[in-house]
Amino acid sequence: ETGVTQSPTHLIKTRGQQVTLRCSSQSGHNTVSWYQQALGQGPQFIFQYYREEENGRGNFPPRFSGLQFPNYSSELNVNALELDDSALYLCAGSLAGGDEQFFGPGTRLTVL
Amino acid sequence: GNSVTQMEGPVTLSEEAFLTINCTYTATGYPSLFWYVQYPGEGLQLLLKATKADDKGSNKGFEATYRKETTSFHLEKGSVQVSDSAVYFCALSGGGSNYKLTFGKGTLLTVNP
Repeated sequence: ETGVTQSPTHLIKTRGQQVTLRCSSQSGHNTVSWYQQALGQGPQFIFQYYREEENGRGNFPPRFSGLQFPNYSSELNVNALELDDSALYLCAGSLAGGDEQFFGPGTRLTVL
Repeated sequence: GNSVTQMEGPVTLSEEAFLTINCTYTATGYPSLFWYVQYPGEGLQLLLKATKADDKGSNKGFEATYRKETTSFHLEKGSVQVSDSAVYFCALSGGGSNYKLTFGKGTLLTVNP
């Protein structure tokens, strides 16, 4: 039990649509990171938020955006969905300055 | 940039066999190294970590030693169980301002009774 929850568990969208994924972390995890895990691959870093500001970004286009709220919960938004966006999206909570990240169970996104 | 290369799977073992999953890395500076485990249908769980050279991380019978000279962090377990069946990911955190994790592709382990 990591104290990190994500919703929804599964989601099906069609190409061109927009999607919002949510993450909630236990108190104390003031930093949240998002990862994309394609089938059969390791997770790829999308971005990280700290104090409601983006604090580092991986090699993902601007149509991937995020928010962090004062209670440390977070959203990942993806616009103009493409078939290759189909993946498991993982959220991880951590403490600023700490290298240990605690992952949620993920949201499985399928784009048709 | 940082990268992690781990042993291709799948790996199939009988219960009580010895396990080794190889992991090597490329990184600037002095990264922290991790092994994560992912059970079917679940997210990632931290299995063990090491933060500096010659450190040994251990948990649930699994061990890995941070070898700077060979840039390796191989995962070992002396006697695997059916319940160890999962996907194992080697990862590094390069420090800096955001401690993002760079993962290997994962190794599927199946343990048969």
